[in-house]
Amino acid sequence: SQTIHQWPATLVQPVGSPLSLECTVEGTSNPNLYWYRQAAGRGLQLLFYSVGIGQISSEVPQNLSASRPQDRQFILSSKKLLLSDSGFYLCACNWDSWNTEAFFGQGTRLTVV
Amino acid sequence: KNEVEQSPQNLTAQEGEFITINCSYSVGISALHWLQQHPGGGIVSLFMLSSGKKKHGRLIATINIQEKHSSLHITASHPRDSAVYICAVARGDTDKLIFGTGTRLQVFP
Repeated sequence: SQTIHQWPATLVQPVGSPLSLECTVEGTSNPNLYWYRQAAGRGLQLLFYSVGIGQISSEVPQNLSASRPQDRQFILSSKKLLLSDSGFYLCACNWDSWNTEAFFGQGTRLTVV
Repeated sequence: KNEVEQSPQNLTAQEGEFITINCSYSVGISALHWLQQHPGGGIVSLFMLSSGKKKHGRLIATINIQEKHSSLHITASHPRDSAVYICAVARGDTDKLIFGTGTRLQVFP
């Protein structure tokens, strides 16, 4: 069965430090992968999505970047964190569209101090 | 105005009560997802529906496409049902998933 792993679950980082969040999918191949962020009091907002290795689409301009070095690996990064990067980050996947079964990671609560 | 609105934002119930969480949306959709998020935990998909009604155990989800409205019902609620319930819609034109802000449910014994 398909599963999605995301880590770490919580992270406290100083302003200006780098960030790397990792998401991996098991049990299938060629998933569509997504990174979402939830700021306090708001719904999850799409940051990046990828339909294949090396293919990244960005939804909103920001201090973050994403990479997909392998078919089932999706990484969210920043070279220098800002206070405004604090929030809940969620990795998700589907295999064709959101009309099909979807899976979500555990989420990462990032606090930038 | 958000494209996906949930109500109520917060909900408390006594064990055994019947619970209803509502979701209204303003865009054309191809599917609607109900998700559950436990404190400190990840998100679990409960239902994906595009019409009618689905049932899984004590959970029932309904959708009315014409009225752009969906409901999630929990029968015989239990403290372990305490979680945040999130409605998310897949836009029909872009296939992007748009999330509501969630409903925080607490069920007391």
